[in-house]
Amino acid sequence: GENVEQHPSTLSVQEGDSAVIKCTYSDSASNYFPWYKQELGKRPQLIIDIRSNVGEKKDQRIAVTLNKTAKHFSLHITETQPEDSAVYFCAATPNQAGTALIFGKGTTLSVSS
Amino acid sequence: NAGVMQNPRHLVRRRGQEARLRCSPMKGHSHVYWYRQLPEEGLKFMVYLQKENIIDESGMPKERFSAEFPKEGPSILRIQQVVRGDSAAYFCASSPDGGGIQYFGAGTRLSVL
Repeated sequence: GENVEQHPSTLSVQEGDSAVIKCTYSDSASNYFPWYKQELGKRPQLIIDIRSNVGEKKDQRIAVTLNKTAKHFSLHITETQPEDSAVYFCAATPNQAGTALIFGKGTTLSVSS
Repeated sequence: NAGVMQNPRHLVRRRGQEARLRCSPMKGHSHVYWYRQLPEEGLKFMVYLQKENIIDESGMPKERFSAEFPKEGPSILRIQQVVRGDSAAYFCASSPDGGGIQYFGAGTRLSVL
C-alpha cells in the first residue's frame, strides 16, 4: 500500500521568508496529492491540491510541485505571515472511487514576526 | 452549506464504556470517511462508507470498532469497551463522488479515563 513521508517535521521562518515542505510517496499508482492546513484544535482544511497530469499549480502565495518520476511533491509558501503558522499535512491517493487519503505525519510551521 | 458536522465535539468515557461518534456529511455528499489522529501525528484512515454500505474498512481495528452509514441519518462510528489507547481525535470527511477532494468535519475528541 501507499506510504507517505513528510519533511521537515518542524519549520521556523521569519515573516516574509519562504517555506518549503517536501513529501515522498511509494505507490506509483497515486495520482492525486492534496495539502491540508490544520490549526490547533481545528479541522484539516484543504489549501491546494495537484493531480498527476500537472507538474505545478499555484494559488496566490502557495504553490505545489510534483515530480512523478521521483515520486515527490512539495508545498511552497512565499511571503509567509504569522497566520500561516499551523500544521501542514500532505497526502496521496490513487484517486479511485473510495480510496482513502494516506497522510504524511505533518510539518509544524512557525512564522515569527 | 453547513459543511461536515460532527458531534459531540468532546466525549469523555471511562474504560469499558461505549463511545458513539456521529457524522453528517455535506449536503449532496454520499461518501463518508473516518480518520483517527493521535497526538502530534497525522491522520490515519479507518473506514470508508457509502449509504448503507461499508466499502473499505482496512484501517479499522478488528475488534471493538464498527461503523455504519444508514439510509437515513448520520454515519456512526462506534467503539465498544473503550481503552485508554482509544483516546484520540476522530475526524470524519465527506466527498461528493468518492474520489479526490475530501472535506473534513471539526472532529470528536475522545478522552478515555
